[in-house]
Amino acid sequence: NAGVTQTPKFQVLKTGQSMTLQCAQDMNHNSMYWYRQDPGMGLRLIYYSASEGTTDKGEVPNGYNVSRLNKREFSLRLESAAPSQTSVYFCASTGLSSGLAGAREQFFGPGTRLTVL
Amino acid sequence: QKEVEQNSGPLSVPEGAIASLNCTYSDRGSQSFFWYRQYSGKSPELIMSIYSNGDKEDGRFTAQLNKASQYVSLLIRDSQPSDSATYLCAVRGSNYQLIWGAGTKLIIKP
Repeated sequence: NAGVTQTPKFQVLKTGQSMTLQCAQDMNHNSMYWYRQDPGMGLRLIYYSASEGTTDKGEVPNGYNVSRLNKREFSLRLESAAPSQTSVYFCASTGLSSGLAGAREQFFGPGTRLTVL
Repeated sequence: QKEVEQNSGPLSVPEGAIASLNCTYSDRGSQSFFWYRQYSGKSPELIMSIYSNGDKEDGRFTAQLNKASQYVSLLIRDSQPSDSATYLCAVRGSNYQLIWGAGTKLIIKP
């Protein structure tokens, strides 16, 4: 099992460019999440998908869109990148069959380090 | 705004000593509490979870929960240099979302 995989690992964008961060999990998990992590601020939830076919906004959704392509894949799109979106992005998944994290562990991907110039 | 607070550190502890990490949270409806470890440049990994008041032990790690005081802690006994990392406290609030603390950087000195 590869667990949670993310691509790319590193990316540099210019202001206004767009890109999609890819995430896939092979653990048959229902729920998937996108976080950003900035120095001194902990993990902040951008969007989540409680199950295939559903997505919901988290704490900091502005400037992002997501697609839950199927049970395995959950992508994050930046339509017009801004320097404020410079961050490390983590995708996570959990196997709880309903709702969000609940009492179950979230498994994290290796992260994407994004710099917007 | 629901919050989870941690001292950012760094917390420096001699090898072999007990490291004590603390976390407070604001949402009284919180039900589940987690400690994650994150090495520099890596992703978080779960080391302890706790749901009931009291202590929960797993090897060298002990999680302590006091819901009345809205306080959760992590003790690491016989600290090793490999325990040097940032420790993230996460709390599942009444809206079912995980709220994360900013983390405490722990340094174990040989």
